[in-house]
Amino acid sequence: AQSVTQPDIHITVSEGASLELRCNYSYGATPYLFWYVQSPGQGLQLLLKYFSGDTLVQGIKGFEAEFKRSQSSFNLRKPSVHWSDAAEYFCAVGSNNDMRFGAGTRLTVKP
Amino acid sequence: DGGITQSPKYLFRKEGQNVTLSCEQNLNHDAMYWYRQDPGQGLRLIYYSQIVNDFQKGDIAEGYSVSREKKESFPLTVTSAQKNPTAFYLCASSSRTGWNSPLHFGNGTRLTVT
Repeated sequence: AQSVTQPDIHITVSEGASLELRCNYSYGATPYLFWYVQSPGQGLQLLLKYFSGDTLVQGIKGFEAEFKRSQSSFNLRKPSVHWSDAAEYFCAVGSNNDMRFGAGTRLTVKP
Repeated sequence: DGGITQSPKYLFRKEGQNVTLSCEQNLNHDAMYWYRQDPGQGLRLIYYSQIVNDFQKGDIAEGYSVSREKKESFPLTVTSAQKNPTAFYLCASSSRTGWNSPLHFGNGTRLTVT
C-alpha cells in the first residue's frame, strides 16, 4: 500500500515570504497526487491535483506543486504568502486501491 | 449551490449511546466516504460507498456502521462499541468511483462523547 509523509508538522512564515510544503510518497506506480487545505473547524478544499503530463501544476489561490518522480515528491509552493493562507495543508496519494493522506502541515503566517 | 451538508456541526453524547451523523450531497456523485480526523493523524477512512446499497469497510470500521439507501445520503452511526469516539468526522464525495478522483468534503461534525 502507498504511504504519504509530510515531514513538517508546523511551519511559520512571514507574510509576503515564499512557502514550500514538503510531501513524499511511497508507491510503485505513478500515483494520483493531491493537495488540500483545511481552515480550522472546516472541511478540506482541493488546491490542485496531478494525474499525468506536465509535472508542474497550478492550483487555486496562487499555489503550485511540482511532481518529481526521482525524489517521490510533490511539494507545494507559493511565491508570496498572505495572512489568509494560514491553515492546515494535506497531501494525498491515490492509487488503484485506496487514497492515503499525510498527517498534515500547519501553516502559521506572521504579520 | 451544490455541495455536501453535514449535520449537526457539534454533537455531544454520553458514553454507551449510539449516535448518527448525517451526510447529504446534491452533487450527483456516485461515491461517498466517511473519514475520521484526530490531531496529528491526518484522515483515516472509516467506510466508503461507490454505489447505492453497497459499501465497504475502510481502515478503521470497527464500532461504526453506515447505510446507502439513496445516492444523496450516507449516514454514519457511531456505536457504543467504538472505544474512542470523540473526534472530528468528515464526509466526502467524488464524481467517479475509484481512488483517482478528487474528493469534495463537507464541513464536518465534531463529536464529543463523555
